[in-house]
Amino acid sequence: GAGVSQSPSNKVTEKGKDVELRCDPISGHTALYWYRQSLGQGLEFLIYFQGNSAPDKSGLPSDRFSAERTGGSVSTLTIQRTQQEDSAVYLCASSFRQGRRDTQYFGPGTRLTVL
Amino acid sequence: DQQVKQNSPSLSVQEGRISILNCDYTNSMFDYFLWYKKYPAEGPTFLISISSIKDKNEDGRFTVFLNKSAKHLSLHIVPSQPGDSAVYFCAASAQSNTGKLIFGQGTTLQVKP
Repeated sequence: GAGVSQSPSNKVTEKGKDVELRCDPISGHTALYWYRQSLGQGLEFLIYFQGNSAPDKSGLPSDRFSAERTGGSVSTLTIQRTQQEDSAVYLCASSFRQGRRDTQYFGPGTRLTVL
Repeated sequence: DQQVKQNSPSLSVQEGRISILNCDYTNSMFDYFLWYKKYPAEGPTFLISISSIKDKNEDGRFTVFLNKSAKHLSLHIVPSQPGDSAVYFCAASAQSNTGKLIFGQGTTLQVKP
């Protein structure tokens, strides 16, 4: 079946612009996660959604970052007034449930470059 | 504060030999550990996991060892194959943070034919 898809695959933007990154999780998966990987770093947790529960936003680095998940499926990560330090690969993952033993399946990521 | 650390950025081994990737953690609340493998331009894929109630878990050529007293885990790949060349990430979770994974920086493994 189809895996997690993300769009765009690459995004180049100018400092100060807003960007939207999209994630389509695996159908039927109730949990959705956003991570980012900066150059030479590991994956950094940003936010997760589980069903209709309030999302865990504890990893968002600033109030310029926000995310929503519409209809329990597609998710959009929005970065307002982008800065150069926002340049990274943004990865989305989904799992069947929120449990720790539910494998997280990752998309290919969106490479964001802020000039 | 890096709670999960992979201190070796890279590792090179000969095909057929054993690859040993190491990972250290600082948070004693972590009780579930995973290894992910990542090829360029792809997302990470799950490889193997281990719960803190065990000290070893094996799946084919892959074995993960956990030493709780040392807060250390390792991934053994034997025999190593050229297709194993990838970036390997160690990750951990705590029961209080259901689903949220804390990742190490990754180790790039190169298996030479």
